[in-house]
Amino acid sequence: SAVISQKPSRDICQRGTSLTIQCQVDSQVTMMFWYRQQPGQSLTLIATANQGSEATYESGFVIDKFPISRPNLTFSTLTVSNMSPEDSSIYLCSGKQGVNSYEQYFGPGTRLTVT
Amino acid sequence: GENVEQHPSTLSVQEGDSAVIKCTYSDSASNYFPWYKQELGKRPQLIIDIRSNVGEKKDQRIAVTLNKTAKHFSLHITETQPEDSAVYFCAARRSSNDYKLSFGAGTTVTVRA
Repeated sequence: SAVISQKPSRDICQRGTSLTIQCQVDSQVTMMFWYRQQPGQSLTLIATANQGSEATYESGFVIDKFPISRPNLTFSTLTVSNMSPEDSSIYLCSGKQGVNSYEQYFGPGTRLTVT
Repeated sequence: GENVEQHPSTLSVQEGDSAVIKCTYSDSASNYFPWYKQELGKRPQLIIDIRSNVGEKKDQRIAVTLNKTAKHFSLHITETQPEDSAVYFCAARRSSNDYKLSFGAGTTVTVRA
């Protein structure tokens, strides 16, 4: 399975600022995704990170708020912009390996607290 | 889009007993159903999955069953141990033309020693 790392592991930010989260996988994956997990809740897909092109966002998430980059197969960033306390959550990236594989593996998550 | 419902939300079992978690899905085209285990403060970990061309899959103390007609699938944990205590999420691949997953709400399993 892919080994996925994220930076930072946690951060406390002031409202109105932005935070960029990095996700690195150790081997080539065909797809990368970003999720949000609010305290005690399930995982909600934010977007699919597409290599070299604009991410594909799920309903309720927009590029201006959550810009995503994926410059190559093994790296992606998610920015949480103009943060408010409602953005306090855990943000996780995941990767899917192989064309015929369905398995998704998750990074350790970034715990964001907005004050 | 795919809607996944998961029951129960909490489950407490005596060590050594079995635990069963059930999920239903809405899209009959879904063909992949993974289960994730998330311990407190850790990442979701893929523990077992099943594709729609089989009805059951087993890995040591863990098994998953799938009923395509009824659109439900279940996780079975036998001989539970304290380290099985965690939140378990079921998921379903949303459709046959992408790899996105829809997740259930999660089940908090507590194994009493």
